[in-house]
Amino acid sequence: EPEVTQTPSHQVTQMGQEVILRCVPISNHLYFYWYRQILGQKVEFLVSFYNNEISEKSEIFDDQFSVERPDGSNFTLKIRSTKLEDSAMYFCASSVRGGTGELFFGEGSRLTVL
Amino acid sequence: DAKTTQPPSMDCAEGRAANLPCNHSTISGNEYVYWYRQIHSQGPQYIIHGLKNNETNEMASLIITEDRKSSTLILPHATLRDTAVYYCIVRVNTNAGKSTFGDGTTLTVKP
Repeated sequence: EPEVTQTPSHQVTQMGQEVILRCVPISNHLYFYWYRQILGQKVEFLVSFYNNEISEKSEIFDDQFSVERPDGSNFTLKIRSTKLEDSAMYFCASSVRGGTGELFFGEGSRLTVL
Repeated sequence: DAKTTQPPSMDCAEGRAANLPCNHSTISGNEYVYWYRQIHSQGPQYIIHGLKNNETNEMASLIITEDRKSSTLILPHATLRDTAVYYCIVRVNTNAGKSTFGDGTTLTVKP
């Protein structure tokens, strides 16, 4: 069964460092998303991406964050200068269509900022 | 997106049906009801969704009341592997994927 894959599964970084989290969405999907979940808290929407541009972003997704689909298969989330509060599980998701399309999530990348 | 209310936790005996309620009294006419679950710290898993008719798939059934102000997710024969946090989400069908996850219901299936 097709699945969304994410790398790395766990990354430890120092505060202020840049981090890139990578995702390979399901191949025929057109809509891509990033969510995050701080330990013990809710799953939070960060950004949605369609047709090579951001469709919607949350207040969390400030100038420190960026997304890119560099090569038609990967979908990346970059955090330019990590803060302690960026420590979380980051989930990538994709869907065939927007609107009523169900989301398929990856297993997540755990980011720990020291 | 409309706000949803779910009980924080429920127990269910293995092999029995698990009925998880969700209240969404402020739902609008163009909003769909979605259910996802999250097993431990894994990525959320889509279960089912519907607009106003009852829906069934290989995982579960979704019963939506006639006034659409509440719904129930039914797992017909719960197994230990169904222990998870279940999220009821109401989403506008024109929204490009933003789903607002609440606290969900922690379902514990017991032997």
